[in-house]
Amino acid sequence: GDSVTQTEGLVTLTEGLPVMLNCTYQTIYSNPFLFWYVQHLNESPRLLLKSFTDNKRTEHQGFHATLHKSSSSFHLQKSSAQLSDSALYYCALSDRGGSNYNVLYFGSGTKLTVEP
Amino acid sequence: AQTIHQWPVAEIKAVGSPLSLGCTIKGKSSPNLYWYWQATGGTLQQLFYSITVGQVESVVQLNLSASRPKDDQFILSTEKLLLSHSGFYLCAWKDWGGGDTLYFGAGTRLSVL
Repeated sequence: GDSVTQTEGLVTLTEGLPVMLNCTYQTIYSNPFLFWYVQHLNESPRLLLKSFTDNKRTEHQGFHATLHKSSSSFHLQKSSAQLSDSALYYCALSDRGGSNYNVLYFGSGTKLTVEP
Repeated sequence: AQTIHQWPVAEIKAVGSPLSLGCTIKGKSSPNLYWYWQATGGTLQQLFYSITVGQVESVVQLNLSASRPKDDQFILSTEKLLLSHSGFYLCAWKDWGGGDTLYFGAGTRLSVL
């Protein structure tokens, strides 16, 4: 079935160091749509990044990710972590334009903590 | 601008009691509406979605049901709560016809005792 794997449950970094959160997926969709959602403490999730284009880097608020269909990956990166980046990050998958585009599969989430 | 309102903000309920959670969206006609559940420390699990009034599709039921009585309203309910129903319930919307981004409401925190 369709699924999203985020291997790191907890990531703790020192401010200023680079961020890399892993996301891989399994799907039968020919047009997978990948998302990163961020959830700060006591808030609702909000979209951070999205992509359906193979090998094209997408950026927002200092974060970037590239969808690689060959390796089924959509890793989230940032060159320099900030204290305000501390949050839960979810990778998610849907079927762009297909019959299942109303179902969004979320990974288990990665809790990022950035320390001074 | 679109706004999404969920009620109640929080509930403490007894096992076996009924539950009704609501979600209203304003400023958007014919939105696609979604219910998600997040167990404490857990991931986001999609429960239901609806693309039009009176039509609801189940993704994972968890002994819950959903209804869409009006274009701007989505209701999640059960007649008998279980301990496992505790968690954070989120309503979300996206544009009809293939919009990509999910916009979440503030959520309802449910504790079943």
